[in-house]
Amino acid sequence: DTGVSQDPRHKITKRGQNVTFRCDPISEHNRLYWYRQTLGQGPEFLTYFQNEAQLEKSRLLSDRFSAERPKGSFSTLEIQRTEQGDSAMYLCASSFGAGEVYEQFFGPGTRLTVL
Amino acid sequence: AQSVTQLDSQVPVFEEAPVELRCNYSSSVSVYLFWYVQYPNQGLQLLLKYLSGSTLVKGINGFEAEFNKSQTSFHLRKPSVHISDTAEYFCAVTRNEKLTFGTGTRLTIIP
Repeated sequence: DTGVSQDPRHKITKRGQNVTFRCDPISEHNRLYWYRQTLGQGPEFLTYFQNEAQLEKSRLLSDRFSAERPKGSFSTLEIQRTEQGDSAMYLCASSFGAGEVYEQFFGPGTRLTVL
Repeated sequence: AQSVTQLDSQVPVFEEAPVELRCNYSSSVSVYLFWYVQYPNQGLQLLLKYLSGSTLVKGINGFEAEFNKSQTSFHLRKPSVHISDTAEYFCAVTRNEKLTFGTGTRLTIIP
């Protein structure tokens, strides 16, 4: 039984560079969520997918952020022209179905450091 | 809009003592409430959730929480803590599938 996996676990980049993170959900889960967690704060919702459809992206922090889930399986989160304020933990979660009755299972996160 | 407030950022507790981690929520509509735990260098794990029904909810690892609508609270309790309970605990509320988290409470167990 494999859980949600994220790659890489850690990323250090220079300001202005682009970064891409990958999330592999639990195989039978059709919902996939992205959250961001900064130091001393709880996770903050960014966007989510049902299969390959992105159902909400209004919470993405700026137009530098984009997410895809092209085949309804894994997802990528890209940040273009990174800024120091983008330094955070990026969390991915997946769930079996819609609604609050279905638990969101979280991955270990990708920690981004922008120098 | 809905939100949760965790009143304590850090809670130190002696091993085998009881603990209560406080959470208050604000919402104008019915809410679903959750407690998650985050162990060091790990992802979030669901401890328990309240969707409807009995206001006393039992979760994993001996934790329980009570939903109190009049006080808009959902406090987490454990009668006797163990060293392994050292972690960050997050209260969360959800609407339309999106979780809104509190700022977290760091539980430190003192041997």
